[in-house]
Amino acid sequence: AQSVTQLDSQVPVFEEAPVELRCNYSSSVSVYLFWYVQYPNQGLQLLLKYLSGSTLVKGINGFEAEFNKSQTSFHLRKPSVHISDTAEYFCAVSDQKGAQKLVFGQGTRLTINP
Amino acid sequence: NAGVTQTPKFRVLKTGQSMTLLCAQDMNHEYMYWYRQDPGMGLRLIHYSVGEGTTAKGEVPDGYNVSRLKKQNFLLGLESAAPSQTSVYFCASTPLLGWSIYGYTFGSGTRLTVV
Repeated sequence: AQSVTQLDSQVPVFEEAPVELRCNYSSSVSVYLFWYVQYPNQGLQLLLKYLSGSTLVKGINGFEAEFNKSQTSFHLRKPSVHISDTAEYFCAVSDQKGAQKLVFGQGTRLTINP
Repeated sequence: NAGVTQTPKFRVLKTGQSMTLLCAQDMNHEYMYWYRQDPGMGLRLIHYSVGEGTTAKGEVPDGYNVSRLKKQNFLLGLESAAPSQTSVYFCASTPLLGWSIYGYTFGSGTRLTVV
């Protein structure tokens, strides 16, 4: 079984500052990794994903994440955040076989201050 | 293109009442899921379906039942609601092939309060 730990429940940053949201996972098999974003009162949208290949993946809205197999991490980064990035971010993991079930982390609430 | 539609969007129930949440998708996806979202706990899988007429338990299935009589619909039922079922419920769907490329498509959620 897989599990995901998001190390920060809340992250406040100033506008135009860089941000990193941390995610660690646990699995005994090969996995796919995802980051989803949830804007207030909305469902979740796919931000980016790691399936295989290059460990640095780029997503929408200027976000990127790096897969580190040895540290079992998949941290999300953005070099300069905007007020519109205020949202909750979820890291998720799925094994590469089976019924395609996503296991989500607890979520990190990103607050951008002007 | 509606994607995944959940009804209702909001509901208040009294303890012991029953209700059904409806999820409908128009993308011909084989897989459908019900998750609940609670503060500090992320999303937890309640039940899922890998195709019409099939259902399976997820991480937190107790107190819920599901049915998938048609491919496009996935119903979540609460037979006797309890305050512990106060939550935001999300439905999601994904295709059988290429699911990892497309990811899940989520509905906008149903906010349920049990008093």
